[in-house]
Amino acid sequence: GAVVSQHPSWVICKSGTSVKIECRSLDFQATTMFWYRQFPKQSLMLMATSNEGSKATYEQGVEKDKFLINHASLTLSTLTVTSAHPEDSSFYICSARDLGQETQYFGPGTRLLVL
Amino acid sequence: GDSVTQMEGPVTLSEEAFLTINCTYTATGYPSLFWYVQYPGEGLQLLLKATKADDKGSNKGFEATYRKETTSFHLEKGSVQVSDSAVYFCAQNKAAGNKLTFGGGTRVLVKP
Repeated sequence: GAVVSQHPSWVICKSGTSVKIECRSLDFQATTMFWYRQFPKQSLMLMATSNEGSKATYEQGVEKDKFLINHASLTLSTLTVTSAHPEDSSFYICSARDLGQETQYFGPGTRLLVL
Repeated sequence: GDSVTQMEGPVTLSEEAFLTINCTYTATGYPSLFWYVQYPGEGLQLLLKATKADDKGSNKGFEATYRKETTSFHLEKGSVQVSDSAVYFCAQNKAAGNKLTFGGGTRVLVKP
């Protein structure tokens, strides 16, 4: 149980295009989902927290207009990197948590390369 | 603010050696503590957790004990395998609903 998937697992895009990453909880209802960014050989940096049906809460320094997050259902959250640039290249990881539970379950990550 | 500090890697070991990764935390309350493992190219997997003082989390031969007096949650394994090569992250969560705070990660390389 407690499986989280991400799609796509990797994506290459041209500078200026937008990329959408999906995060799904497969066998539980994820009332809260988190989006992280990880640079090579570094720890995870929390970008935003999203609760189903409400606006995401972004961490300081994260541009909300750049990284659009939608959490429209209890099993799906999406992160859209708008007008991507090479500096947005990174490993993006989502996690999900059920209501009242503290353990976060992580997706396998999406590697984004912007050319 | 709340933080997690873990020993820097990389840690290089021979197979069947004893592994310890130190982790300490600072928090105003009584957080839950976690160890996550990240294999190359993958996301994080929950390895073990402890929710209160003196709890011991264990999984796959790994153990960690929540020590409130030393604010520590050191990870140990008695006999590592090559397949244990990964990056290990210590993390804390102050209360249900709060965000995880991660340590910097410790890369472990086990050689045959």
